[in-house]
Amino acid sequence: QVQLQESGPGLVKPSQTLSLTCTVSGGSITSGSYYWSWIRQPAGKGLEWIGRIYTSGSTNYNPSLKSRITISVDTSKNQFSLKLTSVTAADTAVYYCAREADATDSSGYYYNYFDYWGQGTLVTVSS
Amino acid sequence: DIQMTQSPSSLSASAGDRLTITCRASQSIRNYLNWYQQKPGKAPKLLIFAASSLQSGVPSRFSGSGSGTDLTLTISSLQPEDFATYYCQQSYSTPVTFGQGTRVEIK
Repeated sequence: QVQLQESGPGLVKPSQTLSLTCTVSGGSITSGSYYWSWIRQPAGKGLEWIGRIYTSGSTNYNPSLKSRITISVDTSKNQFSLKLTSVTAADTAVYYCAREADATDSSGYYYNYFDYWGQGTLVTVSS
Repeated sequence: DIQMTQSPSSLSASAGDRLTITCRASQSIRNYLNWYQQKPGKAPKLLIFAASSLQSGVPSRFSGSGSGTDLTLTISSLQPEDFATYYCQQSYSTPVTFGQGTRVEIK
């Protein structure tokens, strides 16, 4: 059973960098063809996809955050990480890491979905 | 970005009710649509992928249908443990986007 666990500071000062790590257990981060994503949710609000990384190191970022995001992977530690620079109060949210899997239909089309999630970690941006 | 709009935003229902939640995309997403259930303080849980495929372990009272711009999630007989918030998510193109959520409350 795959498990994901976020870790990192719960409080970050405005203008500083938010850094989170997601540790994957129950399987190798390099096994299978999965993307590894970060998603966030401000209190009482909906879900926002931040970005993802493939184990090859290729990344896709949300254009709304692209200039401030870096997602990286450390296969030796079975971890992937998020860095978000120049944070403001608007970046206060629960941050989730998730595995993005895919399935194919009889026509060969790929369908992606988030099948495993971490429990989430609250990051507050405040001085 | 593809905008996803769910309706209704909230509803009150009783155990045993049949429930339908609609997700409308700002452009055709074919059947690249997933549904999640989220309970307070918990991570979302995958229910349905590719519009109508039931995730392993999810009860068969959950079903999804539709294609194009209007897709639906149906709960055939609402159970006490189904009171939660439901989100749709398009995987047709990046950035993947979610609906705003539908909160299902006890009547």
